[in-house]
Amino acid sequence: NAGVTQTPKFRVLKTGQSMTLLCAQDMNHEYMYWYRQDPGMGLRLIHYSVGEGTTAKGEVPDGYNVSRLKKQNFLLGLESAAPSQTSVYFCASSYSKRDRQILAGGNTQYFGPGTRLTVL
Amino acid sequence: AQSVTQLGSHVSVSEGALVLLRCNYSSSVPPYLFWYVQYPNQGLQLLLKYTTGATLVKGINGFEAEFKKSETSFHLTKPSAHMSDAAEYFCAVSGALNEKLTFGTGTRLTIIP
Repeated sequence: NAGVTQTPKFRVLKTGQSMTLLCAQDMNHEYMYWYRQDPGMGLRLIHYSVGEGTTAKGEVPDGYNVSRLKKQNFLLGLESAAPSQTSVYFCASSYSKRDRQILAGGNTQYFGPGTRLTVL
Repeated sequence: AQSVTQLGSHVSVSEGALVLLRCNYSSSVPPYLFWYVQYPNQGLQLLLKYTTGATLVKGINGFEAEFKKSETSFHLTKPSAHMSDAAEYFCAVSGALNEKLTFGTGTRLTIIP
């Protein structure tokens, strides 16, 4: 299993450009997440999805959009990039319906390797 | 709502010394608690977690953490630090059945040879 993969690994954008980050998981997980990581601020949740075709806002959703058209993929879009969106972006997934320990096991999230985005 | 406070954004210990990373949480429901580790230029991986049952939880690489409800704490310890433990450590909390985790701001651990 590849686990959670993210593409691209690195990207440099100019202010106002758009791009899409792709997250893919092969663990048949129901839940998927997008976080951003900034120095001294930990991980902050941007958007998340609890199933195919559903999305919800996290802590810092402004300037981002997401889509979950297929269960295994979760896309993060920046329509008009701003320097404040320079960050490292992490995708995570959790909870397989086959994992009957979800109630006792907590929501263990599995993370991708990250995408480093710089907006000039 | 849940929140996590990690005391000390940077901690340095000598190789072979005790590692203690502090985490305090706030939760309106019985919490599930997690410690994740992030090595340089990598994603986060689970070290250990507390859900229910035994309050002393053992994780990978010799780490353990103790859930203390009265102190609302979940501190991470390792008896003897190794150079390979140098990384950033994140504490996180969720409520039972809660699909979201709330992370602390992280503690960067440096090991002094």
